[in-house]
Formats: sequence, structure tokens, C-alpha cells
Amino acid sequence: GENVEQHPSTLSVQEGDSAVIKCTYSDSASNYFPWYKQELGKGPQLIIDIRSNVGEKKDQRIAVTLNKTAKHFSLHITETQPEDSAVYFCAARTSGTYKYIFGTGTRLKVLA
Amino acid sequence: DTEVTQTPKHLVMGMTNKKSLKCEQHMGHRAMYWYKQKAKKPPELMFVYSYEKLSINESVPSRFSPECPNSSLLNLHLHALQPEDSALYLCASSQSQGPETQYFGPGTRLLVL
Repeated sequence: GENVEQHPSTLSVQEGDSAVIKCTYSDSASNYFPWYKQELGKGPQLIIDIRSNVGEKKDQRIAVTLNKTAKHFSLHITETQPEDSAVYFCAARTSGTYKYIFGTGTRLKVLA
Repeated sequence: DTEVTQTPKHLVMGMTNKKSLKCEQHMGHRAMYWYKQKAKKPPELMFVYSYEKLSINESVPSRFSPECPNSSLLNLHLHALQPEDSALYLCASSQSQGPETQYFGPGTRLLVL
């Protein structure tokens, strides 16, 4: 069945450094890839998304890249801050379906 | 405004109780979702409503009963739950059931004793 692998499961970085989280999807028909940030005790919050007709998208310190050939997409956070500490989930969605296939999550810790 | 609200924030119930979770959005979205999330796991889809009609039930036990009274409201009625049903219950909405962004609420933390 459809699957999204996410790595690493935990990531610790020093404040100001960059963080990269990678996801690999199995369904080549997937065409929408959102990233969610979930802080403790809260619901997932959309931070950035990308559609399959775009290779890269940036929003201030956050960027997402998509390699359709390799079926990889990655989240890049630059100049990390302590408030970036949270669990990050990637997801993939296939055209014509309602369902997100979520990755297993990455716990990011930004050390001050 | 991309806000989805959920009440209550926390709920403790016994296995013989009946309770309801509520979700509301005022973004004009026509698709609404219930998810269940266990600790350290991604959200798992339970139900999808599209234009106020149940379109997807992910083989959820009948002790969970969804209801969509109107396009802005979504309820989840709970009856005879088991301790393993303890989890964070998340509501989400999107413009339609197509490849649209889903916006999540803060969730209801449920504990079944």
C-alpha cells in the first residue's frame, strides 16, 4: 500500500544552525505534499506545502524541495530558533483521493 | 482566518458514559474530518464528511458516531468506549474533498477510564 517514510525520527541542532527532514513516498501518483508542525498539546499546524508541478518553495526560513523522479521531498529550516522545537510531520496525497498518508514524524529540538 | 475550534479541550469518561466532541469552522469549507492521534504517532483518519454527507468511514467501531448538523459543525458522539480509545481527537477541514489543504483544530484530549 501507499507509504511515506520520514527521517530522522529525532533531530537536535544548535540554535542558528539548519535542520533538514526528509520524506520518501511510494505512490508516484501523489501530487500534494504538506508539512505540519505539532507542538506539545496542540493540533498540527500547516507550515508549508508543495504541489507536484513545483520543485521548490520558500517561505522565510522554511523551504521545501521535491524530487519527483526519486519520490523524495524535504523540509529545510534555516537559522533555527528554540520555538522551532516541535514534532514535524510530512504527508503525501494522491490526486482523486481524500486521504493524507503521513510520515512517522520527526522530533526537532533546537538547543539554545 | 484558518481556525478550527474544538470543544472540550479535555474529557475524562467512564466506559459506560455517553459524551460528544464538537468541532466548528467558519472558513466556508465543505469537507470536514475526524482523526485519532495516539502519543508519538501521526494522525489516523476516522471519518470524512463532504457537503454534510458522510463519504468515508475508515472502518471505525460503531461506538464512535459522527454527525454533521450543518456545513460549519461536526460532532463525534462517543458511547461505551474502551481504555484503548484514549487519544487526542483532531478535527480538520478543507475547501473540498479534493487535493486541498487540511486545517486542523487543537484537538480534544480524551481519557477513558
